[in-house]
Amino acid sequence: DAKTTQPNSMESNEEEPVHLPCNHSTISGTDYIHWYRQLPSQGPEYVIHGLTSNVNNRMASLAIAEDRKSSTLILHRATLRDAAVYYCILTGGTSYGKLTFGQGTILTVHP
Amino acid sequence: EAGVVQSPRYKIIEKKQPVAFWCNPISGHNTLYWYRQNLGQGPELLIRYENEEAVDDSQLPKDRFSAERLKGVDSTLKIQPAELGDSAVYLCASSLQEVNEQFFGPGTRLTVL
Repeated sequence: DAKTTQPNSMESNEEEPVHLPCNHSTISGTDYIHWYRQLPSQGPEYVIHGLTSNVNNRMASLAIAEDRKSSTLILHRATLRDAAVYYCILTGGTSYGKLTFGQGTILTVHP
Repeated sequence: EAGVVQSPRYKIIEKKQPVAFWCNPISGHNTLYWYRQNLGQGPELLIRYENEEAVDDSQLPKDRFSAERLKGVDSTLKIQPAELGDSAVYLCASSLQEVNEQFFGPGTRLTVL
């Protein structure tokens, strides 16, 4: 399975944008990039996913580098409720649909 | 729409005792997953069902863990006997198909003493 690398932790202030990076230099052409987040004492929650083009939804935006070796999850205005662990996950090929979670990035949002 | 339901939410048992977790997926979701999450780690897939069939159980410790999904709806995960190292959160998730967004339940926190 292709692996992802994320910073262990990041901090942000409330109402400011947050850019969460993810490196996936061994990504293959058929791998999708998924982001999930996990709030304290809850199960993970889907955020967004993409293949090649940038994606937007009500929760966030996903910016994918042209060579696809990295991506960035963008929270446009962080709120205290966005404090969570954010996981960047690749799925594709024989692991299509299988989520392999890494350590993720712990996001702290300051009021 | 109701989400994935799991019970119990918390369970404390002594080692060597059996324990079972129950999961009711979102209505209509044919794919069901069981994950284990150790403290400070991301979830790890234990088993994946497509309807009644276990299509990926390669990470399930089969000497003490078992799972079933009767009639392709509810599922039960059992541990017998439990060991101290089984203390973790057990998460159930479901999706329409294996390639779709997974919806997770709140998990069952197991403590083995």
